[in-house]
Amino acid sequence: SQQGEEDPQALSIQEGENATMNCSYKTSINNLQWYRQNSGRGLVHLILIRSNEREKHSGRLRVTLDTSKKSSSLLITASRAADTASYFCATDAGGSYIPTFGRGTSLIVHP
Amino acid sequence: EAGVAQSPRYKIIEKRQSVAFWCNPISGHATLYWYQQILGQGPKLLIQFQNNGVVDDSQLPKDRFSAERLKGVDSTLKIQPAKLEDSAVYLCASSLGPGIQPQHFGDGTRLSIL
Repeated sequence: SQQGEEDPQALSIQEGENATMNCSYKTSINNLQWYRQNSGRGLVHLILIRSNEREKHSGRLRVTLDTSKKSSSLLITASRAADTASYFCATDAGGSYIPTFGRGTSLIVHP
Repeated sequence: EAGVAQSPRYKIIEKRQSVAFWCNPISGHATLYWYQQILGQGPKLLIQFQNNGVVDDSQLPKDRFSAERLKGVDSTLKIQPAKLEDSAVYLCASSLGPGIQPQHFGDGTRLSIL
């Protein structure tokens, strides 16, 4: 079963705009990660946020975590055509630390 | 550093045939994962190795799938016999160790079953 579910399924924006995608999950988690996958390639790790953290930044990426709402958001500021990819959240719970991936958000950034 | 290497990149077989995929993780990475990614979905973990031991294979269809990681480095994943529903991308990933670590993914093998 997939723990995290991303929303929206697809997002289309113009270069320079901000892109926001969300991830909701059902049970309490230890950590939440965001990954990017370009077409035909493997996943690339973007950022990890632990359950006791509320916000993390990495370059143009900003991730928030609201454990009371069981949700996270990924914000990409000043998007570029190269940001076109699928974005997945992955959560782990219990003692296994094995991440479970959602179905992903497909982001298209038009130049 | 060199990334995770996988081969072949593409494979087309007929149902009931067998197929094998190979993965070479990043040097020094003790943990290795095999995932199945069906079109339009996120990766689903099939098996996790820690060195040459199996940590989790609860989602591996053991009647047809097998995996090994001899000597704790390279790994192979085999399907025998293949079914139509096995059409997917098979991704290998590695990380420094167990616990919550960023995983480094290969580009996968795209398997098509006719």
